[in-house]
Amino acid sequence: GENVEQHPSTLSVQEGDSAVIKCTYSDSASNYFPWYKQELGKRPQLIIDIRSNVGEKKDQRIAVTLNKTAKHFSLHITETQPEDSAVYFCAASTPNTGNQFYFGTGTSLTVIP
Amino acid sequence: DTAVSQTPKYLVTQMGNDKSIKCEQNLGHDTMYWYKQDSKKFLKIMFSYNNKELIINETVPNRFSPKSPDKAHLNLHINSLELGDSAVYFCASSQIWGAGEAFFGQGTRLTVV
Repeated sequence: GENVEQHPSTLSVQEGDSAVIKCTYSDSASNYFPWYKQELGKRPQLIIDIRSNVGEKKDQRIAVTLNKTAKHFSLHITETQPEDSAVYFCAASTPNTGNQFYFGTGTSLTVIP
Repeated sequence: DTAVSQTPKYLVTQMGNDKSIKCEQNLGHDTMYWYKQDSKKFLKIMFSYNNKELIINETVPNRFSPKSPDKAHLNLHINSLELGDSAVYFCASSQIWGAGEAFFGQGTRLTVV
C-alpha cells in the first residue's frame, strides 16, 4: 500500500508565527491529499485538501502545496493562534489500493501564547 | 444531528471476549471505513467498504470483521480480544471512494484487560 511519512512529529511555535508540516508519499498514482486536525480527545476533521491536478490551495490562514515530481506536500499555517494547537495528519489516496486513505504519523502542534 | 455516530464511546472488556462496535452515518454516503488509532496516535486504515466492495488492510487480523446490514451502517466485530487490540477505533464515511472529505465518528475507546 501507500507509505506516507510526516515531519516533524512535534512542533512548537510562538503565537503569530507560521507553522509548516511536510509529508512525502511513495505511490506516484496517489491523487488526493487531505489534511486533518485532531484536537485532544476529539475526532479528526478535514481542514483542507488538494488533488493531484493542483499545485497549491489556500483557505484563509491555511495553505497546502503539492509537488508531484518529488512526491511531497506541505501544510502551511500562518498567523498561528492557540486554538491551532492540535495533532495534524496528512493523508494520501491511491487508486492502486482501492483509493483507501493512508495517514501520516501525525504532527503535534503547540502554539505558545 | 450527528453525521457519523459510534456506540459505545467506551468499552472495557476481558481478553478472549467477543465484542462489537456499531457505526451509523446519516449523510447518505456510499463508502464507510474503520480506522484504528493506537497510543502513539497513528491512524491506520482497517477496512474500506461500499455496497459493492470490501477492502481489508492486509495487516488486520481475521479476528476483526466488518458487517454492513445496510448502506448507512458498518459495524465492527472483534473475536477473541487481545491486549494489543486496546486502542481508539474510528468509523468514517465519505461520499466518494477515497476522495472528498471523510467524516469521522467520535471514536470508541476499547480497553482490553
